[in-house]
Amino acid sequence: LAKTTQPISMDSYEGQEVNITCSHNNIATNDYITWYQQFPSQGPRFIIQGYKTKVTNEVASLFIPADRKSSTLSLPRVSLSDTAVYYCLVGDEDSSYKLIFGSGTRLLVRP
Amino acid sequence: GAGVSQSPSNKVTEKGKDVELRCDPISGHTALYWYRQRLGQGLEFLIYFQGNSAPDKSGLPSDRFSAERTGESVSTLTIQRTQQEDSAVYLCASSLHQPGLAPYFGPGTRLTVL
Repeated sequence: LAKTTQPISMDSYEGQEVNITCSHNNIATNDYITWYQQFPSQGPRFIIQGYKTKVTNEVASLFIPADRKSSTLSLPRVSLSDTAVYYCLVGDEDSSYKLIFGSGTRLLVRP
Repeated sequence: GAGVSQSPSNKVTEKGKDVELRCDPISGHTALYWYRQRLGQGLEFLIYFQGNSAPDKSGLPSDRFSAERTGESVSTLTIQRTQQEDSAVYLCASSLHQPGLAPYFGPGTRLTVL
């Protein structure tokens, strides 16, 4: 049973900022929040990971509120190559090593 | 350095045959995961290894599925008496044994059962 909830799909245009929110109401104290990107016929690729507040790297930012029951992946100025499925991932409540993927968000970036 | 590798990249088999899928994790990664992804769907957890032991096999869909790991390295996922519903991409991932560390995924093995 998936522990996260994400929008099924999102549309955007090149150059726009895209924010994808994930709900994880049952996140455990020691769990991290991780986001992956997956292109067709490829394995998921790590994007960003955080525990609380805000994390930023060269690809994206991750915003996590104090209660940690949700997180938002922010992609600045998307391009056509950002069209992919994005997965929000948290550790299972029974074991932080059993990682459960949610349904993923299919992002389509249009010209 | 080398990432997670999986072999074969594609496997076509007939219903009822057994198949073995191989995963070579990143060197030094003690945690290893197997996932299944059916066409157009999300990832489905199968099994997790810590070292050579599997503390969580709860995701294996039936007793036709088994997995082992040796030398805290290579892992093999075996599917016996394959069925058409086993057709999927089987993904392997590995990570260091530290809480919350994001695993790295291999390219997957695409299994087609005719």
